[in-house]
Amino acid sequence: RKEVEQDPGPFNVPEGATVAFNCTYSNSASQSFFWYRQDCRKEPKLLMSVYSSGNEDGRFTAQLNRASQYISLLIRDSKLSDSATYLCVVPYSSASKIIFGSGTRLSIRP
Amino acid sequence: DGGITQSPKYLFRKEGQNVTLSCEQNLNHDAMYWYRQDPGQGLRLIYYSQIVNDFQKGDIAEGYSVSREKKESFPLTVTSAQKNPTAFYLCASSIATGGSSGNTIYFGEGSWLTVV
Repeated sequence: RKEVEQDPGPFNVPEGATVAFNCTYSNSASQSFFWYRQDCRKEPKLLMSVYSSGNEDGRFTAQLNRASQYISLLIRDSKLSDSATYLCVVPYSSASKIIFGSGTRLSIRP
Repeated sequence: DGGITQSPKYLFRKEGQNVTLSCEQNLNHDAMYWYRQDPGQGLRLIYYSQIVNDFQKGDIAEGYSVSREKKESFPLTVTSAQKNPTAFYLCASSIATGGSSGNTIYFGEGSWLTVV
């Protein structure tokens, strides 16, 4: 099993729709998790962090399910500007490194 | 403003040449990282450093070298031993490594390396 796994997509949804995607991780000891957004040919930028069961910021909600070892990202009322690749990030304290998922591509159509 | 500066943004390398990518941060972060990203792919860890004068190999360290002589600087050398170096290289930093709570990672704008 990969250390961090994401559905690569692409997810193609109409503007205004709600979309959600998951990220599974293998290290049960991980305590904090992050979602990053990466636009084409740009660096990743922090979208949300998740330390407990979940976090909400406007139209974005991140949830953590420790029992099943996955985190999810929900985007409500999607905008054209939400089109990007969303990266799941899981720090691994035992190895002192940070693992990125390969990303989920999201495309919002008018 | 605090942040991470990478240079050059675009670099062309001839076969057999070594090139060095610069990464400087003024965030006072202890940990620094180098990632490689190929088109349509995720980020792969090349090297990381938790403290000055110490660094560790990541998943794809072969053909690369780093140094960490100063806290704010973590240059990456792509050597001629790296057979397929054309990629997008990202430098990053965080307060500490691993699973520390609140350990957000910040990125530079990246460097595009092309072999000609």
